[in-house]
Amino acid sequence: QVQLQESGPGLLKPSETLSLTCTVSGDSVTGSPYYWTWIRQPPGKGLEWIGYIHYSGSTLYNPSLKSRVTISVDTSENQFSLRLSSVTAADAAIYYCARDTGPRWDDAFDAWGQGAMVTVSS
Amino acid sequence: DIQMTQSPSSLSASVGDRVTITCRASQNIIRYLNWYQQKAGKAPKLVISAASSLQSGVPSRFSGSGSGTEFSLTINSLQPEDFATYYCQQSYSARTFGQGTNVEMK
Repeated sequence: QVQLQESGPGLLKPSETLSLTCTVSGDSVTGSPYYWTWIRQPPGKGLEWIGYIHYSGSTLYNPSLKSRVTISVDTSENQFSLRLSSVTAADAAIYYCARDTGPRWDDAFDAWGQGAMVTVSS
Repeated sequence: DIQMTQSPSSLSASVGDRVTITCRASQNIIRYLNWYQQKAGKAPKLVISAASSLQSGVPSRFSGSGSGTEFSLTINSLQPEDFATYYCQQSYSARTFGQGTNVEMK
């Protein structure tokens, strides 16, 4: 059974770059046709899809974040990562990594990490 | 971008009640619509995919319906463990979530 685990700094200052890594176990990030995904949730608010990557390197980002987001994959470590530049207080959230089942009739997020809280404060 | 609108934003119900949550898409998403359940402090859990496909291990009191732009999630005979926040999500074009519906105990 696939498991995902987020890791990375939990406290950032405004204007810094957020960097998180998701380690995948029980499955391979090269498993096609999965999309490896980042989703965030500000405290007390709803879910926001950030973007995904396929192991081939193809990506798709939320247009509202596209200018600041980079998602990459490391197949040798079975990990994928998120970078979000120039953070502000509005980027404070729980960041989840998830597996998207990919382009099929029942495309959905079928596995999630436990989430990593990121705080932005000077 | 495809916008997803859920209603209501919150509802109060009792154990044994039948509850229905609606999700509307800003354009036709065929049946690329999923439902998630999120309990406090936990990651969301996939409940229904492709509008009506119940995930393995999810009780049969959960059901989904709809196509195009109108979808619904129904919980028959609400149980104590069903009090949670529910989100719809489209996977037709990029990905978008609804704003969530909090199902709380009356």
